[in-house]
Amino acid sequence: EPEVTQTPSHQVTQMGQEVILRCVPISNHLYFYWYRQILGQKVEFLVSFYNNEISEKSEIFDDQFSVERPDGSNFTLKIRSTKLEDSAMYFCAIKRTVDYEQYFGPGTRLTVT
Amino acid sequence: DQQVKQNSPSLSVQEGRISILNCDYTNSMFDYFLWYKKYPAEGPTFLISISSIKDKNEDGRFTVFLNKSAKHLSLHIVPSQPGDSAVYFCAASAQGNKLVFGAGTILRVKS
Repeated sequence: EPEVTQTPSHQVTQMGQEVILRCVPISNHLYFYWYRQILGQKVEFLVSFYNNEISEKSEIFDDQFSVERPDGSNFTLKIRSTKLEDSAMYFCAIKRTVDYEQYFGPGTRLTVT
Repeated sequence: DQQVKQNSPSLSVQEGRISILNCDYTNSMFDYFLWYKKYPAEGPTFLISISSIKDKNEDGRFTVFLNKSAKHLSLHIVPSQPGDSAVYFCAASAQGNKLVFGAGTILRVKS
């Protein structure tokens, strides 16, 4: 099973601040995803990223969110101005080209105060 | 968005017996289905999957059954072990794109 690490494991930030969440796949993958899970709710899709471009995004992924691969390995999710309702677990997932299975990282707990 | 539903919030099973977790979906475009296991404060761990062209897939103690006409799938765990206690998520995908998750079922295996 492909491995994915995420940093930080827990981020506490004040409302209105910018946060960057990082995802580091152990091996090369072409497909990257961000999901989030608000406490007590379903895991929700945010965005998919393929060949250095966004391939699909959800309604949640508004102008406050952005993704990039700044150095060709790390995959980041930036929230420009955090809101209280952004508090959630954020999961990065990866997929190999020929597979349908997505493999998830351990998650980053984001707490917005 | 209720495209994938897990109607049982929790299930309690005796060790050694069979655990059956159910999942229903509404979107006919889904062509791949996956089950994930999740412990608190960890990411979902992939367990087993099934393509819409099959009706059964087996991997060790885990078997997934798909009934396309009923838009229903189930995960069977035999025999159940205490270490299987976790939250189980059903997820569906159309053409290898984003995963749509159910709400999850908490499985407790009693020893």
